[in-house]
Formats: sequence, structure tokens, C-alpha cells
Amino acid sequence: GAGVSQSPRYKVAKRGQDVALRCDPISGHVSLFWYQQALGQGPEFLTYFQNEAQLDKSGLPSDRFFAERPEGSVSTLKIQRTQQEDSAVYLCASSLDQAGRWEFFGPGTRLTVL
Amino acid sequence: AQRVTQPEKLLSVFKGAPVELKCNYSYSGSPELFWYVQYSRQRLQLLLRHISRESIKGFTADLNKGETSFHLKKPFAQEEDSAMYYCALRGTNAGKSTFGDGTTLTVKP
Repeated sequence: GAGVSQSPRYKVAKRGQDVALRCDPISGHVSLFWYQQALGQGPEFLTYFQNEAQLDKSGLPSDRFFAERPEGSVSTLKIQRTQQEDSAVYLCASSLDQAGRWEFFGPGTRLTVL
Repeated sequence: AQRVTQPEKLLSVFKGAPVELKCNYSYSGSPELFWYVQYSRQRLQLLLRHISRESIKGFTADLNKGETSFHLKKPFAQEEDSAMYYCALRGTNAGKSTFGDGTTLTVKP
């Protein structure tokens, strides 16, 4: 594969809708990260997987956010009952090593909640 | 708690001039520090890590534990260095990174 891919690239949702964001990491990469990047700010950590195990979800802002990576490859970030404050770019990154010290980022999904 | 501060939102220099992008951090243990770069219409990418002690594209960064800083330096800036730069910290909790809010560097001809 060419790198980390994310879909959709752009998503517009009405407030209250559920959305699902997909990340395809580089094949064979063990670690996978999700970040949220609001306008004018740096990426903020959401959650981290090592293979299929979600080792850290301390950055998920509320129980409306849920992430999974059931087979240790593709990951989905789901946001239920979206709110305007969820509008941001959601970045996915993957890394070959377990500690994730050399991350490759995807292009991001820009979510706009109206 | 982990915290990264990049005091300059915008930095502008002329081509050939030295450039220093500042990064200060707060962490109680032994952190790993990183610099990331995002060129226009490209994805975020790792530029360098302090543990590698390397020079990438002419950039270097030294971890100063006494001043809790990890400033990025280049002696002679080039126009192609114009980009957004993020400093990031990873603590002993492998996986979680804390990013600064970034500095937009513009190198003028």
C-alpha cells in the first residue's frame, strides 16, 4: 500500500447523527493511533491500539466516541449523536513498532457538524 | 501531566537566515521529544526524534533537560522549509503523544 488511508476525506453531519470514520493502516503495522485536530491547534491524542488491543483510550472526550480494530488492521472511529464541538480533522497514524515511535499519518477526515 | 508549548504561532525569516523554532515541555519523567512537519496540502510527517540525534534536511534539535526545551534549528533557511511545525512529547506511557499547537514558518525569498 501507498501509506495510511482514511475515508471519507470529508464528512458533513447534522447534529445528532452518528458517523463512522475509517482508517486503513500500512500493512503489517502493529500500532494505530487516532487524533483529533481542531482548527488552529495541534493534534490531540484520542486512542491507541496495539494490534487488536486498545491499550489507551484516555483521550476519548466522551462515551459518544468509540474506536475498534477487531482484526488488528483496519480501524473505525465512531461518534454517536454528533455535536458541533466534534467538528475537527480526525487523524489516523500507524507505526511498525509496538511503542509507535515512528508514526506514518493518514490524510485525515474533516468532520463538520452542522 | 504532559504539556508542550510552542510560543510562536508564526515565524518569518529570509532565505539564508538562521531559524529557530521554540519548544518547551512539561513532564515529570524522562520524555521522548519529536518534531513533525506538515507542508502545504501534505500530510503530517515525522521530521526528527531526539533519541536519534540526527540532522534531517539540515534541521537539528537538542533536548535540554535543564531548560525543558527542544528547540528546532537550521543555520540557513530555504524557501522549501516553509511549513507548519509541531513539537510533540511522548512519556513513559508508550503510545500517547502530546503535541504543541504548532508554528507556521515562512521563509521569504
